[in-house]
Amino acid sequence: AQTVTQSQPEMSVQEAETVTLSCTYDTSENNYYLFWYKQPPSRQMILVIRQEAYKQQNATENRFSVNFQKAAKSFSLKISDSQLGDTAMYFCAFGLLNTDKLIFGTGTRLQVFP
Amino acid sequence: GAVVSQHPSRVICKSGTSVKIECRSLDFQATTMFWYRQFPKKSLMLMATSNEGSKATYEQGVEKDKFLINHASLTLSTLTVTSAHPEDSSFYICSARDSGHNSPLHFGNGTRLTVT
Repeated sequence: AQTVTQSQPEMSVQEAETVTLSCTYDTSENNYYLFWYKQPPSRQMILVIRQEAYKQQNATENRFSVNFQKAAKSFSLKISDSQLGDTAMYFCAFGLLNTDKLIFGTGTRLQVFP
Repeated sequence: GAVVSQHPSRVICKSGTSVKIECRSLDFQATTMFWYRQFPKKSLMLMATSNEGSKATYEQGVEKDKFLINHASLTLSTLTVTSAHPEDSSFYICSARDSGHNSPLHFGNGTRLTVT
């Protein structure tokens, strides 16, 4: 069985600064996907970034980038130039190939201060 | 773009009654949809996989007779919470993806259920 762990229940960062959210996971599979989702107060789940495990290159999406360490089973999210609109819950998630079933971590509540 | 719609967004029901939550894919077909439950300030827990035209697959610990799932068409899955109790109060979210394309997974806006 797969598990996803987010050890930071809450984080805060000042506007324009950089923050890193941690995520570790456990699996015996070799091929899988990892995701970061954002859930603002509206509760809508928004995909932030996706990483395929077979790709060594870390995924980036504008101000969002990941540090994927497959051997260490670590998948952290870096948010650069933080904006007030980044305030939300952030969930790390694991997904196997050929399925859309996701296993979510417990989430990190990020507060961006002006 | 592809949208997943949930209805209702909020529902309050009395203990012992049943409530139905709909999950619709608005402009794509989905042979599979997923139902999650989210407790306050907690993570999303997968409840079941809804399969069009066949029985749903439930995760361990989820009562299939309590949470009835029907996926009668390629655009609609329903979750019925039967004989609801206050402990069933939660936020329920569905997800789906366009089966015919390599597109991202989409989530509904969720349904907040309060059982009094």
